[in-house]
Amino acid sequence: QSVLTQPPSVSGAPGQTVTISCSGSRSNIGTGYEVHWYQQLPGTVPKLLIYDNTNRPSGVPDRFSGSKSGSSASLAITGLRAEDEADYYCQSYDSSLSVYVFGTGTKVTVL
Amino acid sequence: QVQLQQWGAGLLKPSETLSLTCAVYGGSFSGYYWSWIRQSPGKGLEWIGEINHSGGTNYNPSLKSRVTISLVTPKNRFSLELSSVTAADTAIYYCARAHVTAYDYWGQGTLVTVSS
Repeated sequence: QSVLTQPPSVSGAPGQTVTISCSGSRSNIGTGYEVHWYQQLPGTVPKLLIYDNTNRPSGVPDRFSGSKSGSSASLAITGLRAEDEADYYCQSYDSSLSVYVFGTGTKVTVL
Repeated sequence: QVQLQQWGAGLLKPSETLSLTCAVYGGSFSGYYWSWIRQSPGKGLEWIGEINHSGGTNYNPSLKSRVTISLVTPKNRFSLELSSVTAADTAIYYCARAHVTAYDYWGQGTLVTVSS
């Protein structure tokens, strides 16, 4: 069972903005460990989308943005597009478990 | 361009040992941790462990008693062994490169099924 909790699903119409939350605790995000986000399109390998809370790797559109506050983090997708339909996972480190941890995952549906 | 290519047996019987190898092409092998991560429907993404170019390892405590991650000859390869597998170990296994703590390059994944 993951220590990073995400909503199972979020949805939005094309062009809208959706936000995915990642709720942690004082032993992971709240301690200051970085949060990363991955996009997993159906049947494919996870792809790094945001690293170190707010940074986008080269090639990732600026429609994707990350933020972090306290023991939680968020991923926002603005100008939602059909190709954004995927599963999204947050990831951090947990010092009490001594493991890298992933969120429970959120399925984004474009209506 | 960094590429990770992985291979290994995809069907195992309970109590057997899972064995996978990952080869790294392009980029530097040193200066990074090289990891194994698995994904199953019931448990989502789970970090298994990692190794650096010197052979230093870190393992998930929940799997540590059954896991060995090693460097493989020829260079720029690393392997995963998971002993005494059960149906709960059925998952897609990925190798990945850790850029500090983010996984920026991933192998193609190997579906491992444990069934009698």
